[in-house]
Amino acid sequence: EAGVAQSPRYKIIEKRQSVAFWCNPISGHATLYWYQQILGQGPKLLIQFQNNGVVDDSQLPKDRFSAERLKGVDSTLKIQPAKLEDSAVYLCASSLVTGVSTGELFFGEGSRLTVL
Amino acid sequence: SQQGEEDPQALSIQEGENATMNCSYKTSINNLQWYRQNSGRGLVHLILIRSNEREKHSGRLRVTLDTSKKSSSLLITASRAADTASYFCATDAYTGANSKLTFGKGITLSVRP
Repeated sequence: EAGVAQSPRYKIIEKRQSVAFWCNPISGHATLYWYQQILGQGPKLLIQFQNNGVVDDSQLPKDRFSAERLKGVDSTLKIQPAKLEDSAVYLCASSLVTGVSTGELFFGEGSRLTVL
Repeated sequence: SQQGEEDPQALSIQEGENATMNCSYKTSINNLQWYRQNSGRGLVHLILIRSNEREKHSGRLRVTLDTSKKSSSLLITASRAADTASYFCATDAYTGANSKLTFGKGITLSVRP
């Protein structure tokens, strides 16, 4: 079974530039998550989709971050314009349908962003 | 905040010894999960324990949950150098609209050969 695919693995940009990350979840997983992990910290949820609808985006900085999941499969996360503090690893994860409880999450390898 | 807090922040042991990591949280949960992250990699799910369970085993892993104390522990027995990684506790709680999994800051485990 193929795992969660993410690209690119590494990206270096100047501040105020834009960047986009792509994620393809495990086939059949209805729920998709984007987490931000700053060095030395735990992952912080940015946005959660169920199929192509947003379930939770309360911690997404909407003035600069956007995410979409067209057709309920793969997803893109965009940052525009980037700030120095956006330097982090962006982790995509997927799981089977989430209802009243969350089951096991399957993570991709992450996209490491460095903003100079 | 629902975020779990792990203790200790860092742990260094000799190969063959047992490693015990603790997690505390603040509000009611659906379940508690433990994940491992090797350097530069994504997180890997280790074990999930539901709020009505007290103990669970998986290979060399043993997880306990005490909902009265709002705490959990992860025990890795007979540790190996390959167990060197960061370990995260994640608590799942129902927010009223959906369930949400929140991660702690993690514990860095070093196993010396």
